[in-house]
Amino acid sequence: GESVGLHLPTLSVQEGDNSIINCAYSNSASDYFIWYKQESGKGPQFIIDIRSNMDKRQGQRVTVLLNKTVKHLSLQIAATQPGDSAVYFCAENGEAGTALIFGKGTTLSVSS
Amino acid sequence: AAGVIQSPRHLIKEKRETATLKCYPIPRHDTVYWYQQGPGQDPQFLISFYEKMQSDKGSIPDRFSAQQFSDYHSELNMSSLELGDSALYFCASSLTGGDTDTQYFGPGTRLTVL
Repeated sequence: GESVGLHLPTLSVQEGDNSIINCAYSNSASDYFIWYKQESGKGPQFIIDIRSNMDKRQGQRVTVLLNKTVKHLSLQIAATQPGDSAVYFCAENGEAGTALIFGKGTTLSVSS
Repeated sequence: AAGVIQSPRHLIKEKRETATLKCYPIPRHDTVYWYQQGPGQDPQFLISFYEKMQSDKGSIPDRFSAQQFSDYHSELNMSSLELGDSALYFCASSLTGGDTDTQYFGPGTRLTVL
């Protein structure tokens, strides 16, 4: 698989590889973090979330890791498929009912 | 499962015209949010409402206003449209105080100002 330590705007992988997308968040007081997937012309789609009292959470083929010490969030996608091709955004939220602050998106391209 | 509904999906307006975008949240969700996304940009928060009261305000121009109605749907009113208002406008909804306060997004309205 391919991983990046810093945020990169694009990531290209082969089908079946593991992908790791990184994000640096801005507010040390943020309590809640979410990864969204956005396909062209569509709304952001919820993938997985994590609260600040956790450092890892797993879903179906996806894992989110949170490192509060360096304010870093990552999304791991196992066995990446062509349907995973999209722009991925991390977002942070300090309080329920308030704005999400989005990070810069990463465009994931999966080739067969 | 029911999702957030937005209408219209596409809207074309002339400069200085007005536009109204509508958002119908997921049933039982009490909070709605409006975001603007320019080409190649991340979504930027505009405004949110909880139980029909404004709960948070972001970079919403004074030419824009919004409200949430008794049935929890929301409308974003945009006046004196400018070319720079051309963007995707997303509505999201959440249940504040529920097990999670995840914001779920609608499909968006693509506004083009000519």
